[in-house]
Amino acid sequence: GAVVSQHPSRVICKSGTSVKIECRSLDFQATTMFWYRQFPKQSLMLMATSNEGSKATYEQGVEKDKFLINHASLTLSTLTVTSAHPEDSSFYICSAPDGGDTQYFGPGTRLTVL
Amino acid sequence: AQSVTQPDIHITVSEGASLELRCNYSYGATPYLFWYVQSPGQGLQLLLKYFSGDTLVQGIKGFEAEFKRSQSSFNLRKPSVHWSDAAEYFCAVGEETSYDKVIFGPGTSLSVIP
Repeated sequence: GAVVSQHPSRVICKSGTSVKIECRSLDFQATTMFWYRQFPKQSLMLMATSNEGSKATYEQGVEKDKFLINHASLTLSTLTVTSAHPEDSSFYICSAPDGGDTQYFGPGTRLTVL
Repeated sequence: AQSVTQPDIHITVSEGASLELRCNYSYGATPYLFWYVQSPGQGLQLLLKYFSGDTLVQGIKGFEAEFKRSQSSFNLRKPSVHWSDAAEYFCAVGEETSYDKVIFGPGTSLSVIP
């Protein structure tokens, strides 16, 4: 079946640095992908919609300059956390619909900012 | 805007007992509804979904859910719980303009007593 991968699965960085997380649809094309954030023992919060060939759409309260999203191709979306701080530490999950009625979620990326 | 509530933060059941996880949604039209399960250290897995048609939906792993418009509910059920069902369960609704854009409820944590 369809698979969505994320890289890296886990990253630790120093405060003030930027971190890039990749989301790939491995065997299908996705014109749209979604990025979620999940704090420990909490639900997934939708951060933004990544659109291939156009700007991402951010949810209310999400800083677009902080969380840069680029949908470079029909199989790749990247989320860059700029000038990361400890409060950005979280679990980031991407998802991609297959064009039908099924959406696939990536395994997530654990970001820890020291 | 759409929203999802899951009244039970945590539920504990004995192995072999029946299970019902509650979900209520707020939506103007016919909703797209989902149940996902997230096991520790694993990604989200779709258990079942409702778009239209039969209000009793069968899913994987022996789960089923019933859509009740009059109660704005989409409760998840399983007749006999297995220890491996211990996980976090999320009810979710697809956004009105794009059902691919999924809004998650707060989640219910399920513990299973052997």
